[in-house]
Formats: sequence, structure tokens, C-alpha cells
Amino acid sequence: EAGVAQSPRYKIIEKRQSVAFWCNPISGHATLYWYQQILGQGPKLLIQFQNNGVVDDSQLPKDRFSAERLKGVDSTLKIQPAKLEDSAVYLCASSLDGGKETQYFGPGTRLLVL
Amino acid sequence: KQEVTQIPAALSVPEGENLVLNCSFTDSAIYNLQWFRQDPGKGLTSLLLIQSSQREQTSGRLNASLDKSSGRSTLYIAASQPGDSATYLCAVRLIQILSYNTDKLIFGTGTRLQVFP
Repeated sequence: EAGVAQSPRYKIIEKRQSVAFWCNPISGHATLYWYQQILGQGPKLLIQFQNNGVVDDSQLPKDRFSAERLKGVDSTLKIQPAKLEDSAVYLCASSLDGGKETQYFGPGTRLLVL
Repeated sequence: KQEVTQIPAALSVPEGENLVLNCSFTDSAIYNLQWFRQDPGKGLTSLLLIQSSQREQTSGRLNASLDKSSGRSTLYIAASQPGDSATYLCAVRLIQILSYNTDKLIFGTGTRLQVFP
């Protein structure tokens, strides 16, 4: 079974530029998560989708971050404009149907904002 | 607000030692607690999941315990090997009574483990 796929794996941009990350969850998984992991910290949930609807985006900085999952499968996370403090690893995870189901994580996208 | 703390932040031990990693959380109203392993440049791999009604879970050389009333969990690694070198994260899943299928994981900051030959 293929795991959660993410691209790109690495990205370097200058502040105030825009960047987008892509995630393809495990086939059949209804729930998709985006986490931000700053160096030395644990992952922090940014947004959770159930199919193509948002379940929780309480920690998403909506003035600069946006995410979508239009067809209920793959998802994109965008930052516009990026700030220095956005440098982090962005992890995507999916689970069969949320709730108590195990979350499976992708390898992450490492973002460096200069 | 739920806070999860892990100690020590880093640990370096010789091969063969038995290890204990600690995790504490401030709010005992959790659904379950999960231990993850994170290798450099890779995502998280789930190791053990303990439901709030359980006291411990075992998988191979790993044993995780949960004391919900005191807000603590430990991950015990027996006979450590160099291949165990990684960052270990614990995460608690909050009880979301009013929201369907919201299952926010709150992570600790991790323990970076190095096992040398």
C-alpha cells in the first residue's frame, strides 16, 4: 500500500514570496491533516479536512495560509506571503475516517524562508 | 489548554541499555496517547497507541504505560540498538465532544535518542 506522498521535499524562498505544497493521502482515506513542525518542536495541527470539508482550522494563520482539498483526495497548502518564521517542516497525514483512527504521515516538505 | 512535555530533550546511550522516555500532559481528559518515532528527513511512524482506559501497550522491545490521573506516560525501550536512534514524540488526542471526527493531536517537543555501538 502506497503511503502519504508529499512534494516538493525541500523548498527555499525569500520572504514575501509565495509557496505551495502538495499532498496525496493514502487511497480511501477520508481525513487529511496538515501539520507545521518548527525545528526543535513537535508538530502543530494547521488544518484538518474530512473529505473536502474543513473540520478544524483554528490554528491556521488565515491572513497568509490557505489550504484546499477540492475533490476530497489530494490537497494543497499555500503560504502567501511567506515570513521568516514560516521556516519549518510541513507534514501531511491522513487517516481512514478521523476520530480514533491512526494517522499516517508523509515525509514532509522542508521550507526555508530567507 | 493542553500542554505536553517530554524529558529528557536528548539522550545518548551505549548499545544494550534499557531506556525510559517520559511524557507528561496537563489535562487528563484525553481520548488516547500515542508514541511516534521520527527519523531525520522522514515523517512520523506510529509506535504504540494507548487508549485512555488502558494502562499499557507492548510491541516487541517497546512498552508504553499510561497513568491518566497523574498525566504521565513512559516509553520503555529494552536492549537498545543503534537502529533505535531517532526522535521520539508523544501525542495526546483530545476528547472533542461536540465536533464529529475532530481528533486533534497535541504533540510534545520530543526526545532525541542516540544509541552508539
